[in-house]
Amino acid sequence: GAGVSQTPSNKVTEKGKYVELRCDPISGHTALYWYRQSLGQGPEFLIYFQGTGAADDSGLPNDRFFAVRPEGSVSTLKIQRTERGDSAVYLCASRLGPSGEQYFGPGTRLTVT
Amino acid sequence: AQKITQTQPGMFVQEKEAVTLDCTYDTSDPSYGLFWYKQPSSGEMIFLIYQGSYDQQNATEGRYSLNFQKARKSANLVISASQLGDSAMYFCAMSVPLTGANSKLTFGKGITLSVRP
Repeated sequence: GAGVSQTPSNKVTEKGKYVELRCDPISGHTALYWYRQSLGQGPEFLIYFQGTGAADDSGLPNDRFFAVRPEGSVSTLKIQRTERGDSAVYLCASRLGPSGEQYFGPGTRLTVT
Repeated sequence: AQKITQTQPGMFVQEKEAVTLDCTYDTSDPSYGLFWYKQPSSGEMIFLIYQGSYDQQNATEGRYSLNFQKARKSANLVISASQLGDSAMYFCAMSVPLTGANSKLTFGKGITLSVRP
């Protein structure tokens, strides 16, 4: 079946602009995670959704970052007033049940110029 | 706080030989899960293998096995019969707790594996 999909695959934006990154999880997966991966590093947790609610947003670096999942499926990560330090690959993952492996999407490479 | 340590900067292995990628972890919670993911140059994170903290036997998945030593807090990945396609970055990760409301993953920095023909 279809895996986790993310759009766009690449996004180049100017400093100060607003961007939205989309994640479409595996059908039926209730848990959805966003991670950020900087060059040469492992992914770092940003936010976790169980259903429609953000159960844990402790990884969001500041209030410029926000994410939603209004219908419990697709999620959008929103970044306001982008900074060059936001440049990274943003990964989305979903999981079927309360434990076990997470399945990752291909990521969105964000470049802030 | 949870921590994953991967200190090998880069590993080389001859095709068809076995290789061990090291991972140590730190948590005070008795309930946790350990994972290995592969990230080829194309960028996607591919799940390889999982070990729960209460599992009595080491996990195996095809050519992958996880050498779980609880007392040493290590979870090394063993890849048998290496193939050229195994060349990639490998990440060790942990979720605490094992199950429940939020089993987010904490990742190590990764290890680069290069398979030589």
